[in-house]
Amino acid sequence: AQKVTQAQTEISVVEKEDVTLDCVYETRDTTYYLFWYKQPPSGELVFLIRRNSFDEQNEISGRYSWNFQKSTSSFNFTITASQVVDSAVYFCALSEGGGSEKLVFGKGTKLTVNP
Amino acid sequence: GAVVSQHPSRVICKSGTSVKIECRSLDFQATTMFWYRQFPKQSLMLMATSNEGSKATYEQGVEKDKFLINHASLTLSTLTVTSAHPEDSSFYICSAMNPIHRQGKYGYTFGSGTRLTVV
Repeated sequence: AQKVTQAQTEISVVEKEDVTLDCVYETRDTTYYLFWYKQPPSGELVFLIRRNSFDEQNEISGRYSWNFQKSTSSFNFTITASQVVDSAVYFCALSEGGGSEKLVFGKGTKLTVNP
Repeated sequence: GAVVSQHPSRVICKSGTSVKIECRSLDFQATTMFWYRQFPKQSLMLMATSNEGSKATYEQGVEKDKFLINHASLTLSTLTVTSAHPEDSSFYICSAMNPIHRQGKYGYTFGSGTRLTVV
């Protein structure tokens, strides 16, 4: 069964600090997809990134970067030079390639960026 | 593209009544939709997978008779909370698989959520 673990429940940083959110996953499938979503206080889920299991290239998008390592089953997310607007709950999620394709979420990490 | 509209965004109902939540894919056909429930400060828990034209698949522990799901068309899935009780108060979010983008950047499109309060 698929599982996603976000060990950090809450993180608090000061603006301009870099912060890394950890995500460890478990799956028996060789084909799977990993996601990160941002959930601001309003509740809607904002898509950040999707990665498939065959693409281990790290990705950078502005201040955001992702480190995917199959050897450690991790898909960590780093925010560089954090800003107050980055304050939100961040969820890592996993979808297995075949079958139901349901998306399973980690418990989320609440990030607070203080001015 | 790939927009999912969820209504209502907020609803307050009396205990014992039923509430229907709609999830519509506006610019694509969604053969599969998912319904999640989120309690305050907790994660999204998958309740059921809804397939167009067939019965929904419920996750373990979710009461089928209480949470009725109907996916009658390729653009609409509904979740009805029957005989609602205060413990059903929660944030409900739907999600649609966008097959056009399955191999692309977006696999799932989420609605904006419905905050249900049962009094």
